[in-house]
Amino acid sequence: QKEVEQNSGPLSVPEGAIASLNCTYSDRGSQSFFWYRQYSGKSPELIMFIYSNGDKEDGRFTAQLNKASQYVSLLIRDSQPSDSATYLCAVNPFPGGYNKLIFGAGTRLAVHP
Amino acid sequence: EAGVVQSPRYKIIEKKQPVAFWCNPISGHNTLYWYRQNLGQGPELLIRYENEEAVDDSQLPKDRFSAERLKGVDSTLKIQPAELGDSAVYLCASTDRDHEQYFGPGTRLTVT
Repeated sequence: QKEVEQNSGPLSVPEGAIASLNCTYSDRGSQSFFWYRQYSGKSPELIMFIYSNGDKEDGRFTAQLNKASQYVSLLIRDSQPSDSATYLCAVNPFPGGYNKLIFGAGTRLAVHP
Repeated sequence: EAGVVQSPRYKIIEKKQPVAFWCNPISGHNTLYWYRQNLGQGPELLIRYENEEAVDDSQLPKDRFSAERLKGVDSTLKIQPAELGDSAVYLCASTDRDHEQYFGPGTRLTVT
């Protein structure tokens, strides 16, 4: 069973702080990793993807991947109330071009003024 | 560029009734996915199409669910008959290359 685990939260952070969202996955052969943001009642929106170990930065967002520890995280700097949403971690555990994502249940983030 | 289009946005039906959902992917996207998302959970794949071919339908409950993508563009997902446990949001997504899937707004189905 290929699994993706996330803490359901809510993770509450003050405005301007760094929010750290974590995700672990079970399949060591996983090659690609994605973070989606989902506002209440809306569909998931792709924020970032990462394929290689290390950090990848895009604006206020940084994705971090550690394949040895089977761990991927998302850091949100200078958190804003508009960042309040559920963040879904998704993993492609299948080799080659087989494009199938396994999603975690999501972490709810609440940024308070 | 227009995003993934889905209709209807909301549907309320009684159990044992049929229901159908429609999806039009982003132009040029050959891969289309149907997901089901239950409350408090992440999306779960039901079926994946490469052009008009269903290449992964292992999680589609085939006794009551069916899908088609006849011309390799838009797609329809059907449930017949619906059960109470089918209440969920049905999401369509598409991609033109590996991995970066873009979701439509979804159809929220309520079965009473």
